[in-house]
Amino acid sequence: GNSVTQMEGPVTLSEEAFLTINCTYTATGYPSLFWYVQYPGEGLQLLLKATKADDKGSNKGFEATYRKETTSFHLEKGSVQVSDSAVYFCALRWYQGAQKLVFGQGTRLTINP
Amino acid sequence: DAGVIQSPRHEVTEMGQEVTLRCKPISGHNSLFWYRQTMMRGLELLIYFNNNVPIDDSGMPEDRFSAKMPNASFSTLKIQPSEPRDSAVYFCASSPSGGRYEQYFGPGTRLTVT
Repeated sequence: GNSVTQMEGPVTLSEEAFLTINCTYTATGYPSLFWYVQYPGEGLQLLLKATKADDKGSNKGFEATYRKETTSFHLEKGSVQVSDSAVYFCALRWYQGAQKLVFGQGTRLTINP
Repeated sequence: DAGVIQSPRHEVTEMGQEVTLRCKPISGHNSLFWYRQTMMRGLELLIYFNNNVPIDDSGMPEDRFSAKMPNASFSTLKIQPSEPRDSAVYFCASSPSGGRYEQYFGPGTRLTVT
């Protein structure tokens, strides 16, 4: 079936450190891939997305590249800030017209000043 | 735009009681989703509606759970009777129709069943 596996957390970094959160997926066909972020006490918000192989999604300094050969969509940021502390979810949509999203288990990120 | 509105934000109830969670989607959005988030199981899709019609309820855990969408601006998720294992954060999300649109999440309802 379709599934998403994320790097287990929690992840703790110092401010200005480099961030990578790994995400791999299993899917038939050509899924779209997403990263959502959940700040404390809030719902999930779309952070970035990619809809086909080799696409790079980017937003707020975060980037992720859709790698079909390794079935991965790792999230990266060059210099994290305290305000990036949140839970990050990788997700896939099975195909362009599908409405259901399949989420990974989430990775809690804490940035210390 | 007010975003997706959920009420209540917190609910504490005793085992066996009926619980009703409410959601108002973003105006103009034709699709509505109910999710449950727990530490053990992560984020699970319970049910979703298109144009007020339930499309997929395969994620609803058991008959104690029911969801309705009587009109385009309101949906409810009911648990009757509630059990301690139902304790979780319940999210509602909405999107325009069609699979290529982003889902917008509400702030969630934290349910505690004692």
